Amino acid sequence: SAVISQKPSRDICQRGTSLTIQCQVDSQVTMMFWYRQQPGQSLTLIATANQGSEATYESGFVIDKFPISRPNLTFSTLTVSNMSPEDSSIYLCSVGMGGSTDTQYFGPGTRLTVL
Amino acid sequence: AQKVTQAQTEISVVEKEDVTLDCVYETRDTTYYLFWYKQPPSGELVFLIRRNSFDEQNEISGRYSWNFQKSTSSFNFTITASQVVDSAVYFCALSEEGNKLSFGAGTTVTVRA
Repeated sequence: SAVISQKPSRDICQRGTSLTIQCQVDSQVTMMFWYRQQPGQSLTLIATANQGSEATYESGFVIDKFPISRPNLTFSTLTVSNMSPEDSSIYLCSVGMGGSTDTQYFGPGTRLTVL
Repeated sequence: AQKVTQAQTEISVVEKEDVTLDCVYETRDTTYYLFWYKQPPSGELVFLIRRNSFDEQNEISGRYSWNFQKSTSSFNFTITASQVVDSAVYFCALSEEGNKLSFGAGTTVTVRA
């Protein structure tokens, strides 16, 4: 499996501001994903980060609120825009090394608290 | 509709007891993959096992074992002789087309010394 890092590991932000979370992998990967885990809840897929093109968003998530970039095969960013307390969650990136049926490995997560 | 159901919200056991976590899934696909992940208090999600829909062999890895039964759409996970370090939230997940993971609600396991 790959070594996946996320920055920041945690942050406390004021409502109305934006935060960009970085996900870095130590090797090239085919697939990269972003998930949200609200307090005490399970994981929900936000979007698939596509290299060189727009991300593919799941129902309930929009690009204006969660813009995603993936400039190459080892790096992606997720921005949480115009934050509200409801955005307080753990945000995790995951990677798939091979094809569409491959195992996903997860980064350590970013704990976001919005005041 | 919920694709993965983990009916047990919390399980508490004393060290050395066995604990079984239930997972029931729902899919119309003939090809799919099932996973178990562990999330310790640190928050990182740790991959435990992946099983494809054509392989119903049970698997054992140390104190962990998994029972996959297509007839009942279940993929249960047993920890034998539990230890305090096993305390975590355990998630069952299903992957259908496009590698999208659908997670169950998770089961919190607490192992008391």
